[in-house]
Amino acid sequence: DIQMTQSPSSLSASVGDRVTITCRASQRISSYLNWYQQKIGKAPKLLIYAASNLQSGVPSRFSGSGSGTDFTLTISSLQPEDFATYYCQQSYNMWTFGQGTKVEIK
Amino acid sequence: QVQLVQFGGGVVQPGRSLRLSCVASRFTVMTYEVHWVRQAPGKGLQWVAVTSSDGSNKYYADSVKGRFTVSADIARKTLYLQMNSLIVEDTATYYCVTDNGGGFIDFWSQGAQVTVSS
Repeated sequence: DIQMTQSPSSLSASVGDRVTITCRASQRISSYLNWYQQKIGKAPKLLIYAASNLQSGVPSRFSGSGSGTDFTLTISSLQPEDFATYYCQQSYNMWTFGQGTKVEIK
Repeated sequence: QVQLVQFGGGVVQPGRSLRLSCVASRFTVMTYEVHWVRQAPGKGLQWVAVTSSDGSNKYYADSVKGRFTVSADIARKTLYLQMNSLIVEDTATYYCVTDNGGGFIDFWSQGAQVTVSS
């Protein structure tokens, strides 16, 4: 099974900060990597698919990069509505999610 | 826009069974895979199982293999997750979700809470 490891597990940041979350796969997964945002009590929302493609309607401050085993989600300028938990997901072989990264207000 | 409406869920004792239903509308059934994803209280997302929308291909996470079964009723546009021999660790909100071939989740159901407790 492919394991996905996100880091950090949580972070505190201020509005306007640049935030970077990483996701590492236990084996190479090409670009079969997606990112989701989840707010409390809601189903997750797709942000980035295939490692670097911005889902329609998602603000351009979100970006994704990487291939193989190492991936990054970047929020260029954190906004109040971005405080949430973020998950990566591989779809190279079945699906596996990372454990999540909680972005909190500093 | 695809809509997924889930039925089922509830409180059940360990060792008992429960079936979740997911009714799909407004999409061409044959073009989607339907996955089941769960989230334990305060925890992250966990993939549970997948079926092609006609029910011909099915795969399961190791944690549920042999206990859970996915199926599809094409005529009713309904997908099922039959959960047998439930254990406390199966307590979670269960979602049915669709994948239109891109490997990512297009649409989510509203979710159903399953609590396994004596």
